[in-house]
Amino acid sequence: GQQLNQSPQSMFIQEGEDVSMNCTSSSIFNTWLWYKQDPGEGPVLLIALYKAGELTSNGRLTAQFGITRKDSFLNISASIPSDVGIYFCAGQKNTGNQFYFGTGTSLTVIP
Amino acid sequence: DAGITQSPRHKVTETGTPVTLRCHQTENHRYMYWYRQDPGHGLRLIHYSYGVKDTDKGEVSDGYSVSRSKTEDFLLTLESATSSQTSVYFCAIGGGLAGDNEQFFGPGTRLTVL
Repeated sequence: GQQLNQSPQSMFIQEGEDVSMNCTSSSIFNTWLWYKQDPGEGPVLLIALYKAGELTSNGRLTAQFGITRKDSFLNISASIPSDVGIYFCAGQKNTGNQFYFGTGTSLTVIP
Repeated sequence: DAGITQSPRHKVTETGTPVTLRCHQTENHRYMYWYRQDPGHGLRLIHYSYGVKDTDKGEVSDGYSVSRSKTEDFLLTLESATSSQTSVYFCAIGGGLAGDNEQFFGPGTRLTVL
């Protein structure tokens, strides 16, 4: 199946630090989504990206749709304890087609 | 989110028994999806539906069947459960007002097959 490589696999950071993670693919995608999942719950959509080069923010979160359309990036500024969780990227090749998911980045924020 | 519910939320069953999981939406979204989530594999698509009675296979469809007789309900059936189907199952919806390019997930069903 389609592979989305997400890195890093895990991160341990101090509260207040900025966080960067990325997702890469061997295929071109036309949509990138970023999700956060808390333990025991379903993933929650954070940001959706639809255009190469697009930069979109949601509060302290900023995501970018890579120019090559084979990658995407998520940044979290000034991390806080409630940012703890697993972050997933997802890519879609064409509208209505299935989404492919990365294996996630586990974020731990140390107060 | 509140617009997607899954039932049951937890189930323990024995190998060889049939199991049906239900996903219900109140958002009138066109697309509905079933995923399983396992450590090291992330979310993998089992089956999806693009309309009433219109379904298609995902990457891990073996051993699973689905049905969608009305817009709001999408059922996942394990005809004869196996231990390898122990997992957390998530339903997702898409194709609403936000368009066909977004997905929203339900709270999940934790299934254990003994």
